[in-house]
Amino acid sequence: NAGVTQTPKFQVLKTGQSMTLQCAQDMNHNSMYWYRQDPGMGLRLIYYSASEGTTDKGEVPNGYNVSRLNKREFSLRLESAAPSQTSVYFCASSERGTGFSYGYTFGSGTRLTVV
Amino acid sequence: AQSVTQPDIHITVSEGASLELRCNYSYGATPYLFWYVQSPGQGLQLLLKYFSGDTLVQGIKGFEAEFKRSQSSFNLRKPSVHWSDAAEYFCAARTGGGNKLTFGTGTQLKVEL
Repeated sequence: NAGVTQTPKFQVLKTGQSMTLQCAQDMNHNSMYWYRQDPGMGLRLIYYSASEGTTDKGEVPNGYNVSRLNKREFSLRLESAAPSQTSVYFCASSERGTGFSYGYTFGSGTRLTVV
Repeated sequence: AQSVTQPDIHITVSEGASLELRCNYSYGATPYLFWYVQSPGQGLQLLLKYFSGDTLVQGIKGFEAEFKRSQSSFNLRKPSVHWSDAAEYFCAARTGGGNKLTFGTGTQLKVEL
């Protein structure tokens, strides 16, 4: 099925370990996003990429890095995981300009636990 | 700062009853407004959206929402709730330039049979 694919779906890390969350979309969207979801806080933007070759910080970028590998793929890296990064991570994509009228398409999420 | 507020954290309704979920935004101009639904363990699915024009918009699954500029609100409604509507609902707004969405904190809907 067309859409946004995130891997892995679940991950447990020890404090200080690193990992990369992968995201790929096959809708030829220009823009991609990483959000984290925490109880009672909704979704908060970590980083986004308006187009291939560009990335920008969102609301909560500390402790994360991103790479827009190509138009399809946008990865999120935790260099040294901390318990405060325990969360559910969502990747999303969208068109730009008038195409944004279709809103975001979300992946199914990665549930990350840092112990 | 632009913000989206969902005042109700939890709402419980009986199956067949009507539903209204509240959403207020804080922004000078009219933002693009969205409602998303999230079933347990799933991603977010778009229910409906408003950009301009008719202030009453229809979405999927029988949902509708009304934009009221004077109240800075975009409330979600459904005339008759089904047990399968139990989920978490998020209001979101594109405020300012770019395509970034700001989300509310969500409203958890429970449906009693």
